[in-house]
Amino acid sequence: DAKTTQPPSMDCAEGRAANLPCNHSTISGNEYVYWYRQIHSQGPQYIIHGLKNNETNEMASLIITEDRKSSTLILPHATLRDTAVYYCIVHPANTGGFKTIFGAGTRLFVKA
Amino acid sequence: DSGVTQTPKHLITATGQRVTLRCSPRSGDLSVYWYQQSLDQGLQFLIHYYNGEERAKGNILERFSAQQFPDLHSELNLSSLELGDSALYFCASSANRYEQYFGPGTRLTVT
Repeated sequence: DAKTTQPPSMDCAEGRAANLPCNHSTISGNEYVYWYRQIHSQGPQYIIHGLKNNETNEMASLIITEDRKSSTLILPHATLRDTAVYYCIVHPANTGGFKTIFGAGTRLFVKA
Repeated sequence: DSGVTQTPKHLITATGQRVTLRCSPRSGDLSVYWYQQSLDQGLQFLIHYYNGEERAKGNILERFSAQQFPDLHSELNLSSLELGDSALYFCASSANRYEQYFGPGTRLTVT
């Protein structure tokens, strides 16, 4: 079973910020939060990851609550090309011994 | 382009047959992961190899097997194929202990 809970779908207006929430209340101390997205049937694309500090890269920002039980992925200026399924997953950062479990994700629709 | 290549892109075969899917990881990546994605099951983790050794196994059927070779490419073998095995099969690779980079997938159709 997935360790994360996400809303099944969200809408966002083009040019506005998209805020995608994720609940991971059972996260362990050594587990990181990762975000991926999948556009149609393409291979999932890595977006960002973090442990406890907020992170930002050229694609998005990741805000993790202080208790680490939830996080929010922020796409600052959504475009039509950001329409995709967004997956939030958690797992430790090591070279094996864990299963990468993807849930159903959030289907984000960016509308003109 | 993630740098991960998968062949073939499409594969159509009959029930009972055996197929081999191939994955070439990004240069230098030691980890290879395999996933199955069907319409009603979402993205399912199958198996993880690190530098030739199996490190984690998901709900992979006994009819399926995988291996990672010394040059780090990996193959997923699917045998005694059933209609329900029709799906997209993705491999991903990872250099460090963090993010995974996914290939474009192999679409398998079993008729």
